[in-house]
Amino acid sequence: DTGVSQDPRHKITKRGQNVTFRCDPISEHNRLYWYRQTLGQGPEFLTYFQNEAQLEKSRLLSDRFSAERPKGSFSTLEIQRTEQGDSAMYLCASSLWTGGETQYFGPGTRLLVL
Amino acid sequence: AQRVTQPEKLLSVFKGAPVELKCNYSYSGSPELFWYVQYSRQRLQLLLRHISRESIKGFTADLNKGETSFHLKKPFAQEEDSAMYYCALGTNAGKSTFGDGTTLTVKP
Repeated sequence: DTGVSQDPRHKITKRGQNVTFRCDPISEHNRLYWYRQTLGQGPEFLTYFQNEAQLEKSRLLSDRFSAERPKGSFSTLEIQRTEQGDSAMYLCASSLWTGGETQYFGPGTRLLVL
Repeated sequence: AQRVTQPEKLLSVFKGAPVELKCNYSYSGSPELFWYVQYSRQRLQLLLRHISRESIKGFTADLNKGETSFHLKKPFAQEEDSAMYYCALGTNAGKSTFGDGTTLTVKP
């Protein structure tokens, strides 16, 4: 297993367009997390899944953001009607939840909204 | 509410000098603390976690519940330690809160 992978690695889009990112976690991991990171800041929690269930979504996340993990494996994060403020690095992480665990991060998808 | 504060954005030391990266947290429950590191052009990775109480690459960190701190220390810094370091707070529910990071530069 090569670890957590994310696709695409870079995305440039125009304001108002929709974008979708994909995350493939480490295969045996049951938890999957999405974070957003802007310049000079640490990763900011967006949402997470245990298997296919979305357990928590950040209150900072607008309705334009939606995430799915349909079969408890890969996950997608969609941003509708993108805004310039959505420009950021989107990080995915996975873990094997045993009541306190290490998260393994992907390389991230860098989004630029023009 | 959970919060992690890393007061130093930048920290510069000479090779062989001791280094301490500060981390303070606020959380009403039982915290689990982590240090993650990001080397240049690499992904974020775990450096150490308080529950394991181990030393990784010469780094140690002690959880001080009285001072709500989890400072990262190394007695003799090496040039390869230059990186971005993030302190993170985990909860029983699994959600993690990260600090804004400290960029460590170890000069030759």
